[in-house]
Amino acid sequence: GESVGLHLPTLSVQEGDNSIINCAYSNSASDYFIWYKQESGKGPQFIIDIRSNMDKRQGQRVTVLLNKTVKHLSLQIAATQPGDSAVYFCAEYYSGNTGKLIFGQGTTLQVKP
Amino acid sequence: DAGITQSPRYKITETGRQVTLMCHQTWSHSYMFWYRQDLGHGLRLIYYSAAADITDKGEVPDGYVVSRSKTENFPLTLESATRSQTSVYFCASSDTARGHGYTFGSGTRLTVV
Repeated sequence: GESVGLHLPTLSVQEGDNSIINCAYSNSASDYFIWYKQESGKGPQFIIDIRSNMDKRQGQRVTVLLNKTVKHLSLQIAATQPGDSAVYFCAEYYSGNTGKLIFGQGTTLQVKP
Repeated sequence: DAGITQSPRYKITETGRQVTLMCHQTWSHSYMFWYRQDLGHGLRLIYYSAAADITDKGEVPDGYVVSRSKTENFPLTLESATRSQTSVYFCASSDTARGHGYTFGSGTRLTVV
């Protein structure tokens, strides 16, 4: 069945280092892949997305890479800051799935000062 | 204030009782969604709505009822609450079904005792 999963439940990085959060997906027909950030006690917040016909997309301090060959998605955060500490979710959207967004289980990013 | 608001923020109810979680958005977004978030399961879609008077089931709709008589409101009712429905519930709205347009509320933490 369809699934979106994350390789590591917790990632701990030093402030200033780069962070890489990984995600595996199973539906090769998904149209969009999205990364969300969820801070404690808050709802998920959109970070960046990438269309399935792209390999890379950059935002402010974040880059998403999509490898369709191995069905792998990653979120790179440059110069990680304490404010980046949160749970990060990947999600996939498939227009043929009546518009449902499927979320992965989340990776906790801990930034050490 | 503009945005998406959920109420109540916290709720404790007894098994078998009916409880309604409220969601209100001020953008006139067409799409609204209800998710539940549990440890080990990430975010799972309960119900969604593409417009007023149009609703559809998500991944885990059993035990829940929704309605959408007005574009801005999308209440979620647990007809007879069970302990397994103890969770954090998030409402989201979007002007598209795609994930990059989702805005989430702050969530309702529901405990069924």
